[in-house]
Amino acid sequence: DGGITQSPKYLFRKEGQNVTLSCEQNLNHDAMYWYRQDPGQGLRLIYYSQIVNDFQKGDIAEGYSVSREKKESFPLTVTSAQKNPTAFYLCASSITAVPYNEQFFGPGTRLTVL
Amino acid sequence: GENVEQHPSTLSVQEGDSAVIKCTYSDSASNYFPWYKQELGKRPQLIIDIRSNVGEKKDQRIAVTLNKTAKHFSLHITETQPEDSAVYFCAASKRSTLGRLYFGRGTQLTVWP
Repeated sequence: DGGITQSPKYLFRKEGQNVTLSCEQNLNHDAMYWYRQDPGQGLRLIYYSQIVNDFQKGDIAEGYSVSREKKESFPLTVTSAQKNPTAFYLCASSITAVPYNEQFFGPGTRLTVL
Repeated sequence: GENVEQHPSTLSVQEGDSAVIKCTYSDSASNYFPWYKQELGKRPQLIIDIRSNVGEKKDQRIAVTLNKTAKHFSLHITETQPEDSAVYFCAASKRSTLGRLYFGRGTQLTVWP
């Protein structure tokens, strides 16, 4: 299960605060993804990045921001504008941003807004 | 975009029976269909995938079938075991969206010993 890591495992935030979730990979993958997982909702794409210094919005990008300054890192910031941020967040990476490439997932971060 | 529907949302089977999970997709341009398994408390992992130029693919007890005309694909698990209990996600992808996956909502499979 090595290769892609997320921290922290659990995160608690007060309403109105921004919080940043870490995602790091040492697989030398070009593409990285952020998903949000809610019960019964599947995996919904927040943002994805094909390559360093480039990223695109997914289906539920509102209230989130990302950066991709290094190939191995793709942090996700959950801003105070995200109305319902409590969820399980999964980061993934793949060799390149084309079909047929397996996405490898990190262990996830569970964010709870108090 | 793409819309992937997955059924059923929950499935319970007796150990040794077969399990079938079905997915439909909306965009005929989709050409890659992976299946991911997520055990409780763990990360999703790819278990099998199929490309649009293939109708069926098998890997030991699991198989995936694809009907491009009807735009649906299915996961078949034979001789189920308790360790097959997990949430299974189907997904679809196409070249124009740079490898991003469109996931179904998942199926909670429970295999009773």
